[in-house]
Amino acid sequence: QKEVEQNSGPLSVPEGAIASLNCTYSDRGSQSFFWYRQYSGKSPELIMFIYSNGDKEDGRFTAQLNKASQYVSLLIRDSQPSDSATYLCAVLNTGFQKLVFGTGTRLLVSP
Amino acid sequence: EAQVTQNPRYLITVTGKKLTVTCSQNMNHEYMSWYRQDPGLGLRQIYYSMNVEVTDKGDVPEGYKVSRKEKRNFPLILESPSPNQTSLYFCASSSPQTGRYEQYFGPGTRLTVT
Repeated sequence: QKEVEQNSGPLSVPEGAIASLNCTYSDRGSQSFFWYRQYSGKSPELIMFIYSNGDKEDGRFTAQLNKASQYVSLLIRDSQPSDSATYLCAVLNTGFQKLVFGTGTRLLVSP
Repeated sequence: EAQVTQNPRYLITVTGKKLTVTCSQNMNHEYMSWYRQDPGLGLRQIYYSMNVEVTDKGDVPEGYKVSRKEKRNFPLILESPSPNQTSLYFCASSSPQTGRYEQYFGPGTRLTVT
C-alpha cells in the first residue's frame, strides 16, 4: 500500500463547476496535510495546508480533513481553465521529518 | 523576495562527469530537502537536512551526496552521474522549528545524463 494515494486522473470538469480531488494516507499518526498545484514542467506551489479535522477555506479552495478515515480532499469552486494542473497531496510523516507526496491528480478544466 | 533558488536550471552532461546542483534559500529555514520527480513515480526524497551539519538519507539516496555547511545552502552532488539519474530535481525548504512544516520549492533543475 502506498503511503499517500491519489487517483491519477485526469479529472475533467467544465468551467464554473466544482472540482473535487481526493487523497488517502496510511500513516495514522500524521498531523499535517498539504495540497500543492504543479503546472507541467514547473515546481510545486503550495495552495493549502490543514492540520485539524474539518474544513479550511481560502478563496475558491476548501481543504477537508478526516483523520478517522485517513482522508483529505480539496474542493475548487468555480473552476477556471487556469486551474488545469496536477494537484499533489502531501502528508507530513509522524516523525515530522519528511513530506510524503502522492503521485498527483491531473485536473482539466474545459472552457 | 522570499525564495528558493537552484542552479543550473537545465543541465546536459555525460556519464561519469561529476556535477553539483546548488540550492539556496533566503528565508532562514532550518530544514532543506532534495527531491527528484519522474513520470509515474511522483516526488521522491533524495536527502534532507534538519539544520547545519545535519543531513540524512531520504528514499532514494544512492548515487547522490549532499552537504550543509551554511544554513542557506544545500548543494546536491552527483559524483559519477548515470543515465538513470536523468530527472527533474527540486530543492525545498521549511521551518519546523517555528511550527511551519509547509515546504517551499525551488524552480527545478532538469538534468539529462547521456
